Amino acid sequence: DAGVTQSPTHLIKTRGQQVTLRCSPKSGHDTVSWYQQALGQGPQFIFQYYEEEERQRGNFPDRFSGHQFPNYSSELNVNALLLGDSALYLCASSLARLGETQYFGPGTRLLVL
Amino acid sequence: DQQVKQNSPSLSVQEGRISILNCDYTNSMFDYFLWYKKYPAEGPTFLISISSIKDKNEDGRFTVFLNKSAKHLSLHIVPSQPGDSAVYFCAARDSNYQLIWGAGTKLIIKP
Repeated sequence: DAGVTQSPTHLIKTRGQQVTLRCSPKSGHDTVSWYQQALGQGPQFIFQYYEEEERQRGNFPDRFSGHQFPNYSSELNVNALLLGDSALYLCASSLARLGETQYFGPGTRLLVL
Repeated sequence: DQQVKQNSPSLSVQEGRISILNCDYTNSMFDYFLWYKKYPAEGPTFLISISSIKDKNEDGRFTVFLNKSAKHLSLHIVPSQPGDSAVYFCAARDSNYQLIWGAGTKLIIKP
């Protein structure tokens, strides 16, 4: 039973570029949440996708967008990258029931130069 | 404004002794609290949780205590084992079912 997988594991971009991160949820899960974890801080909620729609959104600008596919996998897109976007991006999957325990992937480490 | 605070960035405990990790919060509307554990190069792993209507939840070596009047919760690990060395995050669920996370405490278990 595969857990949550994310790709790529590491990524280096320059300011102004765009990036796409990918996530496959745990088998049987239909809800995907994305978090940003800056160094020395806890994860911060970006948004959550369910039934291919954004269900909830945290306090992040529109440069951060996402998508969920019919197979429940998801992408996080960040446009016009800033130095401050350098962080670990975590994907978590869960069942549709709100509040269900989330299972996390290993994350994608993004460095913006 | 940090709604969930873990004031100890790190904690060192002797193997076999009790580890106590603390977490404070400011929002009285949080209804559910969770502890996650994170090893390097891995995502956080759910450990234990507690509803705001309870004051204690136990699962094997792990016990979480909630003091609503003080807006404080703690995670007790006893006895501590070398494999418990990790970063521990406290998270609280708000009315929108979003998780608000603390900054984490790095627990080091000394042999």
